[in-house]
Amino acid sequence: DSGVTQTPKHLITATGQRVTLRCSPRSGDLSVYWYQQSLDQGLQFLIQYYNGEERAKGNILERFSAQQFPDLHSELNLSSLELGDSALYFCASSPGSGRFAEAFFGQGTRLTVV
Amino acid sequence: KNEVEQSPQNLTAQEGEFITINCSYSVGISALHWLQQHPGGGIVSLFMLSSGKKKHGRLIATINIQEKHSSLHITASHPRDSAVYICAVYGGSQGNLIFGKGTKLSVKP
Repeated sequence: DSGVTQTPKHLITATGQRVTLRCSPRSGDLSVYWYQQSLDQGLQFLIQYYNGEERAKGNILERFSAQQFPDLHSELNLSSLELGDSALYFCASSPGSGRFAEAFFGQGTRLTVV
Repeated sequence: KNEVEQSPQNLTAQEGEFITINCSYSVGISALHWLQQHPGGGIVSLFMLSSGKKKHGRLIATINIQEKHSSLHITASHPRDSAVYICAVYGGSQGNLIFGKGTKLSVKP
């Protein structure tokens, strides 16, 4: 158990809908990272938050947004969903602000858009 | 061409064999990471390297910065090592994390 909790584990929704994925980092970790893993693209870095502020942005679509709350949990919001958004979404956390320190991954949320 | 290339894509080994997975990258990097993804989907960070060699149990990771190449070795492989091993580098024009496509390892008893 990495100590990073992601909910829900599975999500099935229709095209055009909006969903929110939640991540609780390890106790004491200030950085949260979001990644997308699709069959054709593999793993891709989406965005990083550090202590409530956006620190780095990767290949995140404009339809997607994220935030980190004062209690350090983070949410990834995906809107106007398309079939191609079906993927595994991972959250990771680390103590520091570096782009990828020794990060600890959650179990992922499997999103299926139908 | 992908900025991070892994080989082989798939690897089947017998229990006890010595395993090598390779990673080559074409961008300047500040660090390289090896990740393990289990069949259930969970990801574990194995190593973070910026030079030299690191060892943890039966796993050894090496990196040659000049040659832009890293290897992950597994000694005395075991069926529980069966997983996808992913190489990732922190580099490129935006300095983001760039992932290889992964190597799927299957160790037979």
